[in-house]
Amino acid sequence: KAGVTQTPRYLIKTRGQQVTLSCSPISGHRSVSWYQQTPGQGLQFLFEYFSETQRNKGNFPGRFSGRQFSNSRSEMNVSTLELGDSALYLCASSTDGVYNSPLHFGNGTRLTVT
Amino acid sequence: SQQGEEDPQALSIQEGENATMNCSYKTSINNLQWYRQNSGRGLVHLILIRSNEREKHSGRLRVTLDTSKKSSSLLITASRAADTASYFCATLRNSGNTPLVFGKGTRLSVIA
Repeated sequence: KAGVTQTPRYLIKTRGQQVTLSCSPISGHRSVSWYQQTPGQGLQFLFEYFSETQRNKGNFPGRFSGRQFSNSRSEMNVSTLELGDSALYLCASSTDGVYNSPLHFGNGTRLTVT
Repeated sequence: SQQGEEDPQALSIQEGENATMNCSYKTSINNLQWYRQNSGRGLVHLILIRSNEREKHSGRLRVTLDTSKKSSSLLITASRAADTASYFCATLRNSGNTPLVFGKGTRLSVIA
């Protein structure tokens, strides 16, 4: 079974721009959750989608948004990028969601904002 | 803010020794999970322990949970160089916006 795939692997953007990251979950997994990892704040939960509906959202500004498609693939969008948005963005998929089953992570998208 | 706090922040041991990492948390939880992350890559799930369980084993891994002390420990026995990674605990909370909260991790180095 193929693992969780995140694209692109690396991104360099300029302040003020927007960016879209993509995540393809393991086949059959209906939940996709997103995380931001930085040296200062560690791993922080962004949001979770389950069967195309946002089920949970972390404490991030509205510039961070996401969606999930009918095939469970998910995208995350960050608008009006700030330097502090530089981070490793990880997505994870699971069968029944963050409450009920272990997470399977992709290798992340490294975003650098200059 | 992070709910889980791992201790120590970094640990260096010789191959064959045991490694123990601790995690403390603040609020009541449904379960606690341990993950491993190799440098610059995604996390790999190791063990999930539910709030009504006290101990769980998986291969060379042993996890304990003490809900009265709000703490958990991860023991890796007979460590190998391949165990070199960062280890994170993640707590699934009963309430709040953020259901899953990760600690900042313990960086384990196993020297061959």
